[in-house]
Amino acid sequence: GAVVSQHPSWVICKSGTSVKIECRSLDFQATTMFWYRQFPKQSLMLMATSNEGSKATYEQGVEKDKFLINHASLTLSTLTVTSAHPEDSSFYICSAEPTGTDYSYEQYFGPGTRLTVT
Amino acid sequence: LAKTTQPISMDSYEGQEVNITCSHNNIATNDYITWYQQFPSQGPRFIIQGYKTKVTNEVASLFIPADRKSSTLSLPRVSLSDTAVYYCLTPPADTGRRALTFGSGTRLQVQP
Repeated sequence: GAVVSQHPSWVICKSGTSVKIECRSLDFQATTMFWYRQFPKQSLMLMATSNEGSKATYEQGVEKDKFLINHASLTLSTLTVTSAHPEDSSFYICSAEPTGTDYSYEQYFGPGTRLTVT
Repeated sequence: LAKTTQPISMDSYEGQEVNITCSHNNIATNDYITWYQQFPSQGPRFIIQGYKTKVTNEVASLFIPADRKSSTLSLPRVSLSDTAVYYCLTPPADTGRRALTFGSGTRLQVQP
């Protein structure tokens, strides 16, 4: 149980185009999902917190107009990288917190999406 | 900033027991301690979670002393496939936040 999927697993796009990444919780509902970015040999950096039915909360320094997040249902959150540039090339990872989680702060992570912008 | 401190790297050999200690001096009363494993180009995978004393599952054991200011992840008889980065996490200090903050983790290298 507690499986999170991401699609696509990898994508190559041209500079200036937009890319959408999907994150799904397959066997549980998630009111809250999270988006992280990871550069080579570095740790995960939180980009934003996505709440079902409301606007995402972005971390300081993350451009909300560039990284559009939509959390339309309890099992799906999407991240759209708009007008992508080579510096946006990274490994994007989502995680989902099962609805009703309290003190344990359970989170389950997706397999990640490798974005390469040429 | 992450509230945990752990060694940047560790080396071991196949078949040995590996213990990775994490310091979390400011852990709150209700906080759980969670450990994740991450392989290159994969998302983190949950290993174990505990609150106090000892927790054991099929993968690892987690030892938490009474003061809960530290915890030790124990991997019995490691193999080459245990080479990964291991992250120790505690909940955010701001109870209004739900996101976990990752520190640098411990890069474990297992050699034959």
